[in-house]
Amino acid sequence: GAGVSQSPSNKVTEKGKDVELRCDPISGHTALYWYRQSLGQGLEFLIYFQGNSAPDKSGLPSDRFSAERTGGSVSTLTIQRTQQEDSAVYLCASSPRLGAEAFFGQGTRLTVV
Amino acid sequence: GQQLNQSPQSMFIQEGEDVSMNCTSSSIFNTWLWYKQDPGEGPVLLIALYKAGELTSNGRLTAQFGITRKDSFLNISASIPSDVGIYFCAGPDSLNQAGTALIFGKGTTLSVSS
Repeated sequence: GAGVSQSPSNKVTEKGKDVELRCDPISGHTALYWYRQSLGQGLEFLIYFQGNSAPDKSGLPSDRFSAERTGGSVSTLTIQRTQQEDSAVYLCASSPRLGAEAFFGQGTRLTVV
Repeated sequence: GQQLNQSPQSMFIQEGEDVSMNCTSSSIFNTWLWYKQDPGEGPVLLIALYKAGELTSNGRLTAQFGITRKDSFLNISASIPSDVGIYFCAGPDSLNQAGTALIFGKGTTLSVSS
């Protein structure tokens, strides 16, 4: 597609359930980033991919969070056993190469009730 | 990793005024990026800077890559109501041993009254 696409745009889930967030990057972009943004806050870096590889997973908030990328394209961010503090907007961005300008999707607003 | 400090945290201005905000770091950045985020949207890239001393304009927006490579500023001239939003600076974290993750400042929230 022309831009970064994220789905779903909104997700309401019950505490303790697992959720999966999807990101379709711009075609040909090798770098892909995930960020989390709480209400009125800045962007918290979670993880990045260079191709299908995620060299540094230390930004993930806990072991309930995981991410993968396949075929150098689509990425999924999975949150297991969701907690209320996981409620936030999850933003995905892609870039033609690491360190270059990144382009964002609209985000997925996650609400854990 | 590196950190980016943005100031001011928020600004309240009158339509037509000029605005200046900046971003600083204790370590060197090789690229500076400026984004704007509207409510409910993802950040949108405004200006990208790749060379120390570089001054780049995009309409009423002008951004500069500081000579020391530790700072950058963004100016908005003749502000209009649609300039309202959160402005973020960003750059690749060269201290991240695993690579160059893109990190963001905490943002400057701009309010414009007409």
